[in-house]
Amino acid sequence: GNSVTQMEGPVTLSEEAFLTINCTYTATGYPSLFWYVQYPGEGLQLLLKATKADDKGSNKGFEATYRKETTSFHLEKGSVQVSDSAVYFCALSILTGGGNKLTFGTGTQLKVEL
Amino acid sequence: DTAVSQTPKYLVTQMGNDKSIKCEQNLGHDTMYWYKQDSKKFLKIMFSYNNKELIINETVPNRFSPKSPDKAHLNLHINSLELGDSAVYFCASSRPLGNGYTFGSGTRLTVV
Repeated sequence: GNSVTQMEGPVTLSEEAFLTINCTYTATGYPSLFWYVQYPGEGLQLLLKATKADDKGSNKGFEATYRKETTSFHLEKGSVQVSDSAVYFCALSILTGGGNKLTFGTGTQLKVEL
Repeated sequence: DTAVSQTPKYLVTQMGNDKSIKCEQNLGHDTMYWYKQDSKKFLKIMFSYNNKELIINETVPNRFSPKSPDKAHLNLHINSLELGDSAVYFCASSRPLGNGYTFGSGTRLTVV
């Protein structure tokens, strides 16, 4: 089956530090890959996506590259801010005869301190 | 304008009761979903409807019954609520290829 594995949190960083949240996936076929962010008390927002190998998704200073050879989609940001504190979810999506669904990783909580 | 709206935002109810959560999207998407987020933040799909037709039904107790009166609405009815049903339930919608889901803000259900 399809699955997503991401690093456990919480990850605690100082403001302006470099962020990496690792994500690897297992899938039959060619998935689209996503990062979603959930701020405290809110729903999920799409942060970025990539639909094919070697694509780079980027948004708000965050980046992730679809690496088919390592089945990875690691999230990076060069300089985090306190406002980036949230839970980050890696996810994949494959369209099959049974329909389309997002399969999520377990989420990684990020805490950014001054 | 809210793209995917769910009501209510909070729901506290006693064991054994029946409750419904409503969801509406104004994005013109054909596909709608219900996801459950447990206390550890893990998200799992429950149901998916495409243009009012059920296309995904994961292993969910039959106390949970989704209903889609039209492609802009997907409601979730839960019978005989149990303590373990306490969670945050998210509605979402997407185009058929699913490249980009839009989520509602969630309904926090607490069963006491």
